[in-house]
Amino acid sequence: GENVEQHPSTLSVQEGDSAVIKCTYSDSASNYFPWYKQELGKRPQLIIDIRSNVGEKKDQRIAVTLNKTAKHFSLHITETQPEDSAVYFCAAFPTGTASKLTFGTGTRLQVTL
Amino acid sequence: EPEVTQTPSHQVTQMGQEVILRCVPISNHLYFYWYRQILGQKVEFLVSFYNNEISEKSEIFDDQFSVERPDGSNFTLKIRSTKLEDSAMYFCASSAVTGTSPLHFGNGTRLTVT
Repeated sequence: GENVEQHPSTLSVQEGDSAVIKCTYSDSASNYFPWYKQELGKRPQLIIDIRSNVGEKKDQRIAVTLNKTAKHFSLHITETQPEDSAVYFCAAFPTGTASKLTFGTGTRLQVTL
Repeated sequence: EPEVTQTPSHQVTQMGQEVILRCVPISNHLYFYWYRQILGQKVEFLVSFYNNEISEKSEIFDDQFSVERPDGSNFTLKIRSTKLEDSAMYFCASSAVTGTSPLHFGNGTRLTVT
């Protein structure tokens, strides 16, 4: 089955700086890679996703890159703000009619003033 | 924006009791999922459901667990005889199609087994 590793487990940045979170996956059949933001006690919320036919995707201050050959993908947040503080999970979704979304272990991002 | 809704938000039960967690997926979605998250850990897949049957399940989803779509709108997770280690946040999710379709999560039910 799919195995997703995520680094770092915690990340502290100053407001305005950039944050980068990296994930690797094991199943070369995976073709969909969402990123979720989870605030304390709340549900995971999709913030951006990328499909395997695309190498990069950007949405305002958030961007995701995918390297299929190396089987890794990254989340980039620029101009971080205190409200970006949360736990971020990457995930991979293998192909198939009933595939399961496999999550990484999460990165706790703290944006300090 | 349509949302996945879950009830109750918090359930406390004694070990050995049965619990039913309820979910109303987004109305035009076809795939339904249950995930769980033990406090401070990652979100773990339990089961996926499509066309009124289980599509896939994880090793966590043993004989104590069952899912049902009783009436065309609700999607339930039943734990037959709860154990202390079942204490977790349980998230229901739905998607329009599987594969490359985003999963939309509900707000979760926090299950506490005492």
